[in-house]
Amino acid sequence: IAGITQAPTSQILAAGRRMTLRCTQDMRHNAMYWYRQDLGLGLRLIHYSNTAGTTGKGEVPDGYSVSRANTDDFPLTLASAVPSQTSVYFCATPREGSSYEQYFGPGTRLTVT
Amino acid sequence: GENVEQHPSTLSVQEGDSAVIKCTYSDSASNYFPWYKQELGKGPQLIIDIRSNVGEKKDQRIAVTLNKTAKHFSLHITETQPEDSAVYFCAAYRNNDMRFGAGTRLTVKP
Repeated sequence: IAGITQAPTSQILAAGRRMTLRCTQDMRHNAMYWYRQDLGLGLRLIHYSNTAGTTGKGEVPDGYSVSRANTDDFPLTLASAVPSQTSVYFCATPREGSSYEQYFGPGTRLTVT
Repeated sequence: GENVEQHPSTLSVQEGDSAVIKCTYSDSASNYFPWYKQELGKGPQLIIDIRSNVGEKKDQRIAVTLNKTAKHFSLHITETQPEDSAVYFCAAYRNNDMRFGAGTRLTVKP
């Protein structure tokens, strides 16, 4: 959806390397979320941020960290990637005026070898 | 925590027929139930949702029903078209925590 961008589109990463996935929105929404999507498991929440300066842990936070220095950006960092972090990562933000109706970015396909 | 189960995992229907996908959830405090459609290589897109104070909602060919007592909700697509082919996800939401089902791959055969 227009308004949420993610980078890179895809990446192959060696195990043990550090990687930051970028997410930017231009809608000035307060809340942002990071999910990973794995076949047969649907989408699982990694971390979220309700507003700039605050973050929280989701269902599967281990091995990931986030920061929210401003409203627009919500980067997700893998400090030392492992093969089990191979996944498609989606950033999301709720529709204006709603804390529920999440809209997703185009995703980043990450392969850890 | 919340656990959402979705069935079936795959569904194939003939164009024009109806398709039904069912989900159950475990946390009675969940209060918002969206359905997403995901096409290949794209992010999920919200297609319809329902809040816990409503039993049914309809939007053209798509409808969602919710049974709070039984903790299950369903997506109904009528008069299916080939462009309805995609993976569909249900979800249950409570307090910043959105839990998704594993997805249903719907194929509509022309």
